[in-house]
Amino acid sequence: EPEVTQTPSHQVTQMGQEVILRCVPISNHLYFYWYRQILGQKVEFLVSFYNNEISEKSEIFDDQFSVERPDGSNFTLKIRSTKLEDSAMYFCASFESSSGANVLTFGAGSRLTVL
Amino acid sequence: RKEVEQDPGPFNVPEGATVAFNCTYSNSASQSFFWYRQDCRKEPKLLMSVYSSGNEDGRFTAQLNRASQYISLLIRDSKLSDSATYLCVVRQGGGSYIPTFGRGTSLIVHP
Repeated sequence: EPEVTQTPSHQVTQMGQEVILRCVPISNHLYFYWYRQILGQKVEFLVSFYNNEISEKSEIFDDQFSVERPDGSNFTLKIRSTKLEDSAMYFCASFESSSGANVLTFGAGSRLTVL
Repeated sequence: RKEVEQDPGPFNVPEGATVAFNCTYSNSASQSFFWYRQDCRKEPKLLMSVYSSGNEDGRFTAQLNRASQYISLLIRDSKLSDSATYLCVVRQGGGSYIPTFGRGTSLIVHP
């Protein structure tokens, strides 16, 4: 079964450092998302990406965050200067839309710990 | 952003019990509805989509009530392995197509 792959599975960083989280979506999928989940809280939307540009973003996705698809397969989330409150699980998700089902498939997540 | 509300629980039930969860959504233009399951520290996984006429998959039944803006999930004959958090997901309409998550309902099935 096709899957969304995320790396790293866990990253520990110092406050103020830059972090890049990587995702390889399912190959025929066209829509890509980043969500985050702070421990014990709900899954929150960050940003959606289609046709090589951001289609929607939430209030959480401020100037510290950026996304790009540098090579047609990887989809990255960059946090420029991490804060303690950025500690969370970050999930990448994708779907293809042509079937009309609009079902998101998630990666296993990248756990970010900011010290 | 419009909200999706769920009772966080936990629902603590014995094996074999029937349990039901509800979820309400505030955006009347919402277009697609799903139940996802999330195990501790894992990613959400699709349990089932929810169709207007209601749908069933084995022990699981989902219903949609557009007039009252809620969806429900019924689990019959609960198994220990059903213990998880059940996430209600609503794809917004009205110009936004983002799947929005409720905070989940925790289910604990005990022997």
